[in-house]
Amino acid sequence: KAGVTQTPRYLIKTRGQQVTLSCSPISGHRSVSWYQQTPGQGLQFLFEYFSETQRNKGNFPGRFSGRQFSNSRSEMNVSTLELGDSALYLCASSGSSGRGDTQYFGPGTRLTVL
Amino acid sequence: GQNIDQPTEMTATEGAIVQINCTYQTSGFNGLFWYQQHAGEAPTFLSYNVLDGLEEKGRFSSFLSRSKGYSYLLLKELQMKDSASYLCAVRDVGIYGGSQGNLIFGKGTKLSVKP
Repeated sequence: KAGVTQTPRYLIKTRGQQVTLSCSPISGHRSVSWYQQTPGQGLQFLFEYFSETQRNKGNFPGRFSGRQFSNSRSEMNVSTLELGDSALYLCASSGSSGRGDTQYFGPGTRLTVL
Repeated sequence: GQNIDQPTEMTATEGAIVQINCTYQTSGFNGLFWYQQHAGEAPTFLSYNVLDGLEEKGRFSSFLSRSKGYSYLLLKELQMKDSASYLCAVRDVGIYGGSQGNLIFGKGTKLSVKP
């Protein structure tokens, strides 16, 4: 079974621009979660989508948004980029809505904001 | 508040045993996960505990005490390839009180294995 894929793998943007990141979950997985990873803060939860609905949301400003399509693929958008948005953005998929559903991570998109 | 603590760095010798501790204080609890992350790579799943006790999987074991808010990951017969960051994560309770909570991660423990 193919793993979680993310595109693009690397991205360089300038302040004020916007960016869209894409995530394709493991086949059959309906839940997609997004995380931001920085050296100082570690992995921080952005939001989770399940069956095209946002199910959970972390404490990030409204500039960070996402959506999920009917095929479970998900996109994350960051508008009006700031220098502090430079990070590794990881998505993870899991199989169902039950307890202990293990999240499997994609390779991430490394975003650099100049 | 949500708080997960683990040591920042640890060093151990090839062939030895190392224990990485994790303590947590979260508003809800729906299981604890350990992930391994090599530099520049994605986290990979190692173990999951939801009931008290020890879960063993090859050279890796994970222990959970819910009453103490405590877990540890035990790595035996250390190999050089075990040099990585180890992330402890607690699954929170979902916003509707169900089991679909998100993962709250500690900042990770960077393990260096020396020859």
